[in-house]
Amino acid sequence: DQQVKQNSPSLSVQEGRISILNCDYTNSMFDYFLWYKKYPAEGPTFLISISSIKDKNEDGRFTVFLNKSAKHLSLHIVPSQPGDSAVYFCAASGWDAGGTSYGKLTFGQGTILTVHP
Amino acid sequence: GAGVSQTPSNKVTEKGKYVELRCDPISGHTALYWYRQSLGQGPEFLIYFQGTGAADDSGLPNDRFFAVRPEGSVSTLKIQRTERGDSAVYLCASSSGPRTGELFFGEGSRLTVL
Repeated sequence: DQQVKQNSPSLSVQEGRISILNCDYTNSMFDYFLWYKKYPAEGPTFLISISSIKDKNEDGRFTVFLNKSAKHLSLHIVPSQPGDSAVYFCAASGWDAGGTSYGKLTFGQGTILTVHP
Repeated sequence: GAGVSQTPSNKVTEKGKYVELRCDPISGHTALYWYRQSLGQGPEFLIYFQGTGAADDSGLPNDRFFAVRPEGSVSTLKIQRTERGDSAVYLCASSSGPRTGELFFGEGSRLTVL
């Protein structure tokens, strides 16, 4: 069963506009959520995280929103830049979700973001 | 080096052969993870080491897969009797410890089983 889902395989956005990437999860024991970015032929790189005690976390152009009741999180990128074009993975973990470490992550399938100049 | 280093970057082997994939984590990182990424999917957890011991190997698909980290630094993922379904990118990551999900990933080892 897919415990973390990214239902949009791809997203295309104009430079300067907002990019919104979405993620849903099913395991209510997850309490820590992250976004990773991946360029071709590179490993994923950490972007931003949020604990379940918060509903928003902001870091520069990147903001993550968490809606626990809906088991939904989203990543907003404002303004979008061509260098943001990459695959974005949502991930979740939790000590009470059978975790032995917060680094034991369950990833979504990824969303390919393309930002056009 | 400054980052996580994985070798080989590419490995092509024949069905039934034995394969070893190596990971050199960031110096000082006590936690080390192996993930596997198949085409079109997100990374899937395989195993987690804290120091020298495998703290969680619940993601290893079967007993053909084994990993070691004898001195608490470099780790080797070992796959016996490879099958075509083992073809994937094997990612290694390290972190400062179990209380963070901020992992530093290597570039991965692409395994192709013919």
